Amino acid sequence: EVQLVESGGGLVQPGGSLRLSCAASGFTFSSYAMHWVRQAPGKGLEYVSAISSNGGSTYHANSVKGRFTISRDNSKNTLYLQMGSLRAEDMAVYYCARAASSGWYAEDWGQGTLVTVSS
Amino acid sequence: DIQMTQSPSSLSASVGDRVTITCRASQGISNYLAWYQQRPGKVPKLLIYAASTLQSGVPSRFSGSGSGTDFTLTISSLQPEDVATYYCQKYNSAPRTFGPGTKVDIK
Repeated sequence: EVQLVESGGGLVQPGGSLRLSCAASGFTFSSYAMHWVRQAPGKGLEYVSAISSNGGSTYHANSVKGRFTISRDNSKNTLYLQMGSLRAEDMAVYYCARAASSGWYAEDWGQGTLVTVSS
Repeated sequence: DIQMTQSPSSLSASVGDRVTITCRASQGISNYLAWYQQRPGKVPKLLIYAASTLQSGVPSRFSGSGSGTDFTLTISSLQPEDVATYYCQKYNSAPRTFGPGTKVDIK
């Protein structure tokens, strides 16, 4: 069974930093691209970042480019999102998701971790 | 960037009704379109990929169609457990944008 468990969320002040982790199990982590998707309170889904299976290719939405960095450690079956210069508009539940083997849609999702940006 | 729109933004229908949600891409995306269901307070769930392929375990009352710029998600007979927000997503290339969502509830 595919399991994705996010951690690292919490309360951070504007301008602060946070690193999210997503521990993966139940599949060969190193064979799959991964995504981060976020959802602000009461809002829709926003695609944030993606990384290829070997980490050689990454994507960041314009809204987070230069502030967030996606990475992965295939030896630890873990996906990361390093977030910096956090703003109020970054407050959201952050989901990690596994891309399908047949395309870059999100086949499996974690439960999410809440990031609150407030002074 | 390609923009994704959905209509309607919300709808209310009776149990057993046929429900159709439309998703439109601002440029052609072939069939690189997925649909997700997010029940209230829950995690999004993949329903359909490649515009019309039903994900394993998804009830057959859900179906998808379309190609290019216009896509539809159809629920053939609405059930109480289908109360949710439905999102489309393009995935042919980055950014893999989501539509704004369509909220479905029971009349």
